[in-house]
Amino acid sequence: EAQVTQNPRYLITVTGKKLTVTCSQNMNHEYMSWYRQDPGLGLRQIYYSMNVEVTDKGDVPEGYKVSRKEKRNFPLILESPSPNQTSLYFCASSLRTSGSMQYFGPGTRLTVL
Amino acid sequence: QQQVKQSPQSLIVQKGGISIINCAYENTAFDYFPWYQQFPGKGPALLIAIRPDVSEKKEGRFTISFNKSAKQFSLHIMDSQPGDSATYFCAASSDTGNQFYFGTGTSLTVIP
Repeated sequence: EAQVTQNPRYLITVTGKKLTVTCSQNMNHEYMSWYRQDPGLGLRQIYYSMNVEVTDKGDVPEGYKVSRKEKRNFPLILESPSPNQTSLYFCASSLRTSGSMQYFGPGTRLTVL
Repeated sequence: QQQVKQSPQSLIVQKGGISIINCAYENTAFDYFPWYQQFPGKGPALLIAIRPDVSEKKEGRFTISFNKSAKQFSLHIMDSQPGDSATYFCAASSDTGNQFYFGTGTSLTVIP
């Protein structure tokens, strides 16, 4: 089954404690992306990756890091989380950017106290 | 700056009615306009998409209307059903860029 998996699904942490949210896809997609979803703001792109070892900033990259060492995995790293990073996070993948369907993961609900 | 502007924020429609959600964009380089549907607790899923070389695309009860000169596109849901109650996002991207831009979402409620 074609899918994007994220872990953990729910996470409560404290300010400053480093965390990683994992993302994996089984469709051999080149393009992967992280979004955060906040009420009234829709989905905003944090980082994206066009292929292995190729990553770039989206619209809201501050406070986040990513890596793409393997094609299937695209972890999101928060080195020093702050309360304003409390949000719902989605990983997505697609064959390419334009004209290509994005498959979304189930989401990770993050609360930073 | 919001690259894709979506309205309304929320919409209540009677069963059997027509739901209409509108989006507008400024960047003329955009050439792919998808709509995503999201149910509570789930990730968004592609519903229907259009390229600017056509003015309309229909899939079942869902239709995208595209007005290139006005830089607007809209989603029409015919014969709306309670099962259509969800949040809908429009989006845009381009072959020359690498980013996807989403609207702020519309919460649709279809009343039985």
